[in-house]
Amino acid sequence: QVQLQESGPGLVKPSETLSLTCGVSGYSISSGYYWGWIRQPPGKGLEWIGSIYHSGSTYYNPSLKSRVTISVDTSKNQFSLKLSSVTAADTAVYYCVRHFVARDYFDYWGQGTLVTVSS
Amino acid sequence: QSALTQPPSASGSPGQSVTISCTGTSSDVGGYNYVSWYQQHPGKAPKLMIYEVTKRPSGVPDRFSGSKSGNTASLTVSGLQAEDEADYYCSSYAASNNLRLFGGGTKLTVL
Repeated sequence: QVQLQESGPGLVKPSETLSLTCGVSGYSISSGYYWGWIRQPPGKGLEWIGSIYHSGSTYYNPSLKSRVTISVDTSKNQFSLKLSSVTAADTAVYYCVRHFVARDYFDYWGQGTLVTVSS
Repeated sequence: QSALTQPPSASGSPGQSVTISCTGTSSDVGGYNYVSWYQQHPGKAPKLMIYEVTKRPSGVPDRFSGSKSGNTASLTVSGLQAEDEADYYCSSYAASNNLRLFGGGTKLTVL
């Protein structure tokens, strides 16, 4: 059974960089699929942030691309998100997901982690 | 690129059928058979219910079905049950900018 688990600070100051890691168990990242991040502001809808392949190939949401970096560490079977210059608008639950790009759906989700941007 | 358009709410009584729509454009919903649907209960992560417009992952009841006509995709829940009460989100591939779009979500209430 594929399981994903987000980890990282729950509070980030404005203008700083948000950093999250997603640990994957039950499946080797190197075996295939893209791995991505999706966020959901409190009480609002879902927004795809971006996705990465084990080779390092990435797709980013154009609206966030200038501030986002997604990286992968196959030796640890995990991938990470960095979002720079955060504001209160970046406050959200952040989910890591497995992304079947060829058919374009997200089939496994982490439980999500709330990140609040506040001084 | 704008999010896909969903009605904010839908409702039905137990045993009835409800259909939720998801409207996009010819550059996303209408142009590709890559529409998926997700169910989200309060405080939980979304769960994949439908992919490639009509396909159900293993374990999803056949009461859930998907379809598409032109630029509008639909999710139908037949034989409504109390546990179907949740938020539902559609998603589609959008070729411009290689984007993945979501709808704003529909809150399904079982009366």
